[in-house]
Amino acid sequence: DSGVTQTPKHLITATGQRVTLRCSPRSGDLSVYWYQQSLDQGLQFLIQYYNGEERAKGNILERFSAQQFPDLHSELNLSSLELGDSALYFCASSVDTWASGNTIYFGEGSWLTVV
Amino acid sequence: AQSVTQLDSQVPVFEEAPVELRCNYSSSVSVYLFWYVQYPNQGLQLLLKYLSGSTLVKGINGFEAEFKKSETSFHLTKPSAHMSDAAEYFCAVSDQAGTALIFGKGTTLSVSS
Repeated sequence: DSGVTQTPKHLITATGQRVTLRCSPRSGDLSVYWYQQSLDQGLQFLIQYYNGEERAKGNILERFSAQQFPDLHSELNLSSLELGDSALYFCASSVDTWASGNTIYFGEGSWLTVV
Repeated sequence: AQSVTQLDSQVPVFEEAPVELRCNYSSSVSVYLFWYVQYPNQGLQLLLKYLSGSTLVKGINGFEAEFKKSETSFHLTKPSAHMSDAAEYFCAVSDQAGTALIFGKGTTLSVSS
């Protein structure tokens, strides 16, 4: 158990709908990362937050948004869903910078199926 | 921008045979390198990481990797494979402290008896 908690574990929804994925980082971790894993694209970095502020942005679509709350949990919002958004969405967390020896820990992911 | 290429999508080995999973990276600046493992229906677990210092890095479960700057490689090895090593392995890179990791496409290691 990495200590990173993601909910829901599985989600099936229809095209055009909106969903919210939730992530609770490890206790004490200030950085949260979101990744999308699909068969064709592999593991794609979406976005990173540090202590409530956006730190880095990757291949995140405009239909997707995220935020990190004062209690450090994070939510990834996916809207106007398309079939191609079906994927495993990972949240990860780290204390701050891993260069100081901290590790990035991954949750078990949220499976999203768009039908 | 940095990138990672995992040269083999699948690597089949026999139990107790040596394992080598290949990873090459591209970056114009200093890099930090990682190997993660993903077991079925689980998240990613860190095997080992190279930040600085010794270029031979030892990780968990008997794995190690060697950073070769001249070859821009960070291959993962293990002298003797176990059935429990069967999983998906990801190489990752970042060129700045604290930024997100960029992952390769992954290599599926299968182990047969």
